[in-house]
Amino acid sequence: AQKITQTQPGMFVQEKEAVTLDCTYDTSDPSYGLFWYKQPSSGEMIFLIYQGSYDQQNATEGRYSLNFQKARKSANLVISASQLGDSAMYFCAMREGHDYKLSFGAGTTVTVRA
Amino acid sequence: SAVISQKPSRDICQRGTSLTIQCQVDSQVTMMFWYRQQPGQSLTLIATANQGSEATYESGFVIDKFPISRPNLTFSTLTVSNMSPEDSSIYLCSALQSPSTDTQYFGPGTRLTVL
Repeated sequence: AQKITQTQPGMFVQEKEAVTLDCTYDTSDPSYGLFWYKQPSSGEMIFLIYQGSYDQQNATEGRYSLNFQKARKSANLVISASQLGDSAMYFCAMREGHDYKLSFGAGTTVTVRA
Repeated sequence: SAVISQKPSRDICQRGTSLTIQCQVDSQVTMMFWYRQQPGQSLTLIATANQGSEATYESGFVIDKFPISRPNLTFSTLTVSNMSPEDSSIYLCSALQSPSTDTQYFGPGTRLTVL
C-alpha cells in the first residue's frame, strides 16, 4: 500500500498568493515523522519543514507551514506569499517508528506565475 | 545541519561499465542513505550505509549491482555496476546527524546517464 499520497501532479499559483499542497499518509505506528522537501530543476533536495506525530502544534518555518490533521492522516504544506523561486517539485515524506529511512510521495510540481 | 557533497555531480557512461559515486559529510553523522530517482519519478531508497559493516539493502536492490561502502562516520560510496540505460537516474545520498534531530539532509545528487 502507498504510504504517502500526493494527489496533485501539478499546480499553478500567482506570485504573492498562497498555495496548499496535499499530502496524506498511511501508518499504524504511533511514532512517525513527516517531512516536506523542495527539489528545484537542479535536482538537489532541500529540507523545508518537519512535523513529529506527537507534536501538539503545527510546524512553521518562515513562509512554510504544515497543516497537520492527525485524525485525517494529512500533512498539507502551505506556502504563503509565493515567489518565483518557489517553482519546483515538492515531496512529502515519512519515517515510521525507529526506522529512519524515508518513504516519499510522488511529488507535486509548483509553477509560480508573475 | 550537515553539509553534504557528492562527486561526480553528473556523468555520462557507456553500458557495461561501472561508476562510483562519493558522498562526503562535513561532520560525523549517525546514519547515511542512498536513494535513486529515476526520470520523472520520486525517490526510492536503495540502501542504508552502515559504518564498518555491510549495507542494508531494500527490496529490489542487491549488493552485486549497488555495492556500498562506509568506512567512517563522514564518508560513503555507492557503485553502480554493469550499467544499463535503465540505470540512468539521479543518485542522492542523505545523512541523519542524530536520531534526536530526525531530519535527513541530502547531497546535491549525481545525475547519471547511461548510453
